[in-house]
Amino acid sequence: AQSVAQPEDQVNVAEGNPLTVKCTYSVSGNPYLFWYVQYPNRGLQFLLKYITGDNLVKGSYGFEAEFNKSQTSFHLKKPSALVSDSALYFCAVRDTGRRALTFGSGTRLQVQP
Amino acid sequence: NAGVTQTPKFRILKIGQSMTLQCTQDMNHNYMYWYRQDPGMGLKLIYYSVGAGITDKGEVPNGYNVSRSTTEDFPLRLELAAPSQTSVYFCASSYSTGFREDTQYFGPGTRLTVL
Repeated sequence: AQSVAQPEDQVNVAEGNPLTVKCTYSVSGNPYLFWYVQYPNRGLQFLLKYITGDNLVKGSYGFEAEFNKSQTSFHLKKPSALVSDSALYFCAVRDTGRRALTFGSGTRLQVQP
Repeated sequence: NAGVTQTPKFRILKIGQSMTLQCTQDMNHNYMYWYRQDPGMGLKLIYYSVGAGITDKGEVPNGYNVSRSTTEDFPLRLELAAPSQTSVYFCASSYSTGFREDTQYFGPGTRLTVL
């Protein structure tokens, strides 16, 4: 079975400060990991993914994520938050040998001016 | 490219009514998916398709049916609407060879209320 946990319902950060949104996963094989962002009344937009290779993955809008196999984590990071980054962020995982993604419950990021 | 389009954007149904949620993609993706998103929750997979004529159940398929007669279209059918089906429905597509996952692209969603 595959599963994803996003332990924080909400993350608050001041504009200009670094942000981290946490994600841990559980798979039986090698994971494919994704981050998506959802703005109000919109569909999900792809941010970045880890398939293989470098543990630090760079994505859209200045976001990056670090894959840590020993801690089974894939935390999303950004060095300097913007108010426009405020949105709902979803981590997702797919195990090799499976065809469907499993999504976490989402973390709401609130960036204060 | 329009990407993934969904119709309608909003719909209110009475208990027991039926409807079809439409989904079309113009990216020539072989995989298509239907998810539902309940308030405060992540997305749950209802059904998916790996190509025309091939569909398979996801995590929460009960009360839904799908068909995939063309590469572009993947409609989701609710036969007897129930209040538990009140949700936001997202269609997604991706291009995948074998079991390697490519990025899923999502439509804007259909907000369905069953009263």
